[in-house]
Amino acid sequence: QLQLQESGPGLVKPSETLSLTCTVSGDSITTSESYWGWIRQPPGKDLEWIGSIYYSGETYYNPSLKRRVTISVDTSNNQFSLTLSSVTAADTAIYYCASGGIYNWFDPWGQGTLVTVSS
Amino acid sequence: DIQMTQSPSSLTASVGDRVTITCRASQDIYKSLAWYQQKPGKAPKFLLYGASRLGSGVPSRISGSGSGTDYTLTISSLQPEDSATYHCQQYDITPYSFGQGTKLEI
Repeated sequence: QLQLQESGPGLVKPSETLSLTCTVSGDSITTSESYWGWIRQPPGKDLEWIGSIYYSGETYYNPSLKRRVTISVDTSNNQFSLTLSSVTAADTAIYYCASGGIYNWFDPWGQGTLVTVSS
Repeated sequence: DIQMTQSPSSLTASVGDRVTITCRASQDIYKSLAWYQQKPGKAPKFLLYGASRLGSGVPSRISGSGSGTDYTLTISSLQPEDSATYHCQQYDITPYSFGQGTKLEI
């Protein structure tokens, strides 16, 4: 059974870099021929797609965040990661990782991790 | 970018009722539409893809339809556990985008 779990700091200072890792279990990132995605949801607001990475390493980012986002894969640990630079309070959100399958609908999702940007 | 607009933003229904939620895209998305159910404090749960194809384990009283720019999610014979927020998502073109959600109260 495919499962995903986010990890990383819950508090980041303004102007610093947010870094999160998603650990995948139940399948191999490199052999599944899938996309792996990051989605966020500010408290009480809509879901926003941040970006996706293909198992081969090809990345797709939301243009609204592209200048600040990097998604990468760590095949040795079956993980993929998100970094978001120069964060502001507007980046405070629950961050989810998810399996995007072949077409980038997302199933399953990790449980999510709340990241607060505050000094 | 493709904008996804859901209606209504919220609705209240009773056990046993049938409800329909609408999702409209700002351009044709060629049935590249998924629906998710999200309960408070939980991650979204995938329901269906391709506008009408149910995910594994999703009860058959949930159905989807539509084409072009207009899509619907129908839940027949509502159960108490259907109380949640429902989100649509287009995956036709990046940036992939979600609707603003429809909160369903039973």
